[in-house]
Amino acid sequence: DIHMTQSPSSLAASVGDRVTVTCRASQSIYTYLNWYQQKPGKAPKLLIYVASSLQSGVPSRFSGSGSGTAFTLTISNLQPEDSATYYCLQTYSSTWTFGQGTKVEIK
Amino acid sequence: QVTLKESGPVLVKPTETLTLTCTVSGFSLSNARMGVSWIRQPPGKALEWLAHIFSNDEKSYSTSLKSRLTISKDNSKNQVVLSMTNMDPTDTATYYCARILVGAVTGRFTYWLDPWGQGTLVTVSS
Repeated sequence: DIHMTQSPSSLAASVGDRVTVTCRASQSIYTYLNWYQQKPGKAPKLLIYVASSLQSGVPSRFSGSGSGTAFTLTISNLQPEDSATYYCLQTYSSTWTFGQGTKVEIK
Repeated sequence: QVTLKESGPVLVKPTETLTLTCTVSGFSLSNARMGVSWIRQPPGKALEWLAHIFSNDEKSYSTSLKSRLTISKDNSKNQVVLSMTNMDPTDTATYYCARILVGAVTGRFTYWLDPWGQGTLVTVSS
């Protein structure tokens, strides 16, 4: 199975900051990587698909980049409502795998 | 509007078989560019992909759980069913179903999950 490693596991940042979350794959997954946002008690929500495509309705302060084994989710101009846990998901192989999550808190 | 809703028992006993149903609306399970996936999340832990099924009945299962899982669908009922045998307290989790959307990148299919159901908490305890 392809293993996905997210870093950091948690971070705290101030409103207006630029935040970066990294996801690394154990082998190349090209651009078959999605990002999800999950708030407490809620189902995950799609933010980014195919590594860098912004899902309709998602604020433009969210962006994704990367290919191969290294990927980044960037939140520019962090807002209070961005406090959540973020997960990456690879869909390259026939069996899919999530990263372990990154919890983003607002200082 | 696309919606998915999970249903099933809230409590199962160890060694029992869990059967969960995902009822979808707003799209067809026979749509060639869609499928349905099951994902679970133990309390306070990360998401874990379990299985998926596509319109052509192609299925895939988590490597670690493959021997215990069965996924199927009934297009006429707009339902996808997941069965998990030999339940254990460590299987206590919120179970989600989600629609799979299919795209193409450089000649290869790619997939993403959107939207998700609200989830259903299943507790395994005697």
